[in-house]
Amino acid sequence: DAGVTQSPTHLIKTRGQHVTLRCSPISGHKSVSWYQQVLGQGPQFIFQYYEKEERGRGNFPDRFSARQFPNYSSELNVNALLLGDSALYLCASSSGPDFGQPQHFGDGTRLSIL
Amino acid sequence: SQKIEQNSEALNIQEGKTATLTCNYTNYSPAYLQWYRQDPGRGPVFLLLIRENEKEKRKERLKVTFDTTLKQSLFHITASQPADSATYLCAPGGATNKLIFGTGTLLAVQP
Repeated sequence: DAGVTQSPTHLIKTRGQHVTLRCSPISGHKSVSWYQQVLGQGPQFIFQYYEKEERGRGNFPDRFSARQFPNYSSELNVNALLLGDSALYLCASSSGPDFGQPQHFGDGTRLSIL
Repeated sequence: SQKIEQNSEALNIQEGKTATLTCNYTNYSPAYLQWYRQDPGRGPVFLLLIRENEKEKRKERLKVTFDTTLKQSLFHITASQPADSATYLCAPGGATNKLIFGTGTLLAVQP
């Protein structure tokens, strides 16, 4: 079975632009979470979606938004990009909404802001 | 605020020895704690989950302990191998319905 897939793998943007990152969860998984990981730090929680509803939100500005589609894939959108948004963006899926179960991560999208 | 602390410096050990990684947390009472492995340029890979009512969990050469009094989890890799070299992340979770990751500990196993 395919694991969590994310696209694109790398992306270069300039300040002020917006970006859309995509994630396809493992087949059968209905929960998708997004994380931001800057160099030398652990992943930081941005959003969780379960059954197309937002279930959790981390401490990120409103420039960050996400949605989940009927096939459980998800998009993360970031507007008005700042240099500080440069990071690895990770998507994780699991079968249920509870984080007390293994999270399956993709290999992320490396976003660089110039 | 909730704080997760892992060994900030890299851990260097000889092949065959036991590696012990520490995860301490403050201002938090997690219902469970997860450990992940992350290789450079890759996403984290789940290793073990231990719940607050469990003292110890084992999987092959891996062992995790969870001391809710000390607010600490220890992660052990026995008979370590160079292939175990990676960054190891701890992530307590529970009440806030999200995982909070530590900064990770870089483990280097020398042949």
